[in-house]
Amino acid sequence: QSALTQPASVSGSPGQSITISCTGTSSDVGSYNLVSWYQQHPRKAPNLLIYGVRERPLGVSDRFSGSKSGNTASLTISGLQAEDEADYYCCSYAGSGTFAVFGGGTKLTVL
Amino acid sequence: QITLKESGPTLVKPTQTLTLTCTFSGFSLSTSGVGVAWIRQPPGKALEWLALIYWDDDKHYSPSLQSRLTITKDTSKNQVVLTMTNMDPEDTATYYCAHNFGYNIDYWGQGTLVTVSS
Repeated sequence: QSALTQPASVSGSPGQSITISCTGTSSDVGSYNLVSWYQQHPRKAPNLLIYGVRERPLGVSDRFSGSKSGNTASLTISGLQAEDEADYYCCSYAGSGTFAVFGGGTKLTVL
Repeated sequence: QITLKESGPTLVKPTQTLTLTCTFSGFSLSTSGVGVAWIRQPPGKALEWLALIYWDDDKHYSPSLQSRLTITKDTSKNQVVLTMTNMDPEDTATYYCAHNFGYNIDYWGQGTLVTVSS
């Protein structure tokens, strides 16, 4: 069982917006603004989409946005495109002991 | 351009020790704030964070695997080595190394599949 809880799957139609949640605890997500999100296509390495809760690396589309409220972080993808179909993982810093924890991953299907 | 590549055995036997090497380019592990992390992913399952070593040799391990893991660096060779003892079939996974800046994993290697089987 992963430390951070994500829905197993979400779906949406092209052009729509979807949100993926990532629920942790006051020891990780709730205590630090150090949540990142990764996109992983089949048989590929993960790719960084969001860091620091809401910051986008250069080259990442502004259709991807991040936010946090309490112990839950969220990734929103607007204007869904077929190429967005992938697995998405959140990750949070969890203090100097545990250090980092991933979510269980969410499979996004574009209908 | 930051690149990382994992290398090591593709097949190990139960109880053996796994040694994986991450060879990187485009950054230096002597630069303040920089680290290299290891993450694994069993087939069809989620990512699992394993270990991290920083430029100043500060090391962090997953609490559940700490007793089995050792991470070291060779700055002159641009390499980071992860060893995992007492391998079990449940350790079958793709193992990734990744560039870490501060607390963020940003660049990933392509991954290497390690199968544990007799």
